[in-house]
Parts: sequence; structure tokens; C-alpha cells
Amino acid sequence: DSGVTQTPKHLITATGQRVTLRCSPRSGDLSVYWYQQSLDQGLQFLIQYYNGEERAKGNILERFSAQQFPDLHSELNLSSLELGDSALYFCASSAWGPENTEAFFGQGTRLTVV
Amino acid sequence: AQKVTQAQTEISVVEKEDVTLDCVYETRDTTYYLFWYKQPPSGELVFLIRRNSFDEQNEISGRYSWNFQKSTSSFNFTITASQVVDSAVYFCALSDSVGDMRFGAGTRLTVKP
Repeated sequence: DSGVTQTPKHLITATGQRVTLRCSPRSGDLSVYWYQQSLDQGLQFLIQYYNGEERAKGNILERFSAQQFPDLHSELNLSSLELGDSALYFCASSAWGPENTEAFFGQGTRLTVV
Repeated sequence: AQKVTQAQTEISVVEKEDVTLDCVYETRDTTYYLFWYKQPPSGELVFLIRRNSFDEQNEISGRYSWNFQKSTSSFNFTITASQVVDSAVYFCALSDSVGDMRFGAGTRLTVKP
């Protein structure tokens, strides 16, 4: 168990809908990362937050947004969902950034858009 | 731009064989970080090893070892005496100092009994 908790584990929704994925980092970790894993795109970095502030941005669509709350949990919001958004979404956390520690991953949320 | 290439899509070995997974990376940063992660069939991503760009010392940790060579931009990972439980997809990853971590496409390792 990595200590990173993601909910829900599975999510099925229809096109056009909006969903929120939740991540609780390991105790004491300040950095949260979001990744999308799909068969055709592999593991794609979406966004990183550090102590509530956005720190790095990757291939995140404009329909997607994220935030990190004062208690350090994070949410990834996906809106106007398309079939191609079906993927495994991972959250990871680390104590600081990559210069100090590795990132530990949650078990992922499998999103299916129908 | 950062890029990680894992040329080996799939590797199949017989138990107890040694296996090396290749990773080649591209970056313009002078400070960067390299990682290997394992994704077993259950789906979670498990951290294996991490290396800083300024530390080329290669080490052995149990059955795992790695060969980091800046001159060839390679960060290869070796499993000695492979076991069936090592069957998984292995990802090499490269991160800049900010936290933008890029993964390779992964190498699927199958260890047969």
C-alpha cells in the first residue's frame, strides 16, 4: 500500500457529463501529481500541485482542471467528457518535488465514458 | 523537451534468467531525475529506483541493479535471477527539477516458469 488513496476506483459515465476524481496524498506529502494512462497515449503527465499551488503543467486539456485544498487532498475535474477520455487516472504524491523524493502512486481511478 | 524511449515493447524470459530493460532519455536540463516504476497486472504503479543526474554511481539493490550513463543518456535496469512475480510492465521516467515527469511507453516483461 503506497499510502495514496484515490476515489472512486471505478467510474462509468456518459459523454458530455462532468466527474470529479479525488486523491488523498500520503501523510506529510506536499506535492500531488495527476497522470492519465490510456492504451494509445501511455502514461501522460497532467498537472502537479505543491502545497496548494500549481507547480507544473503537462498535457492537460482545457476541459480538465484540478486543485489542491488546504488539507492537501486534490481533485481532478473532467468536464464535457468524450469517449476518448476513458482511461486510468493516477494520482501520485511526494514529500517535496523530484529533487528530494520519488512519487508514490495511488491505485488509480478507472474512468469509462459511454 | 523531455523524452523517454523504451525501445523494447515486450520481453519474455525464463525464470532465473537475467534481464535488462533499456531506457534512453532526452533532456536539455542539467539537473534531472530518473526513475523506474513497475506496473504489475493489478494495475498500481510501484516505485523501484530513483537517480539524480549528478550521481552516476551505479548500485545493486537485491536482485535489481541499474546502469546510468550520462554520456549515452541511458538508464538501464537489470533484474537478476528473474522470478515469475517480476512479470509486469516496467516504466522508465524522467523528471525535471520542477516536477514534470515524463514516462516511457513501458516494457512488458513476462517471466515464464
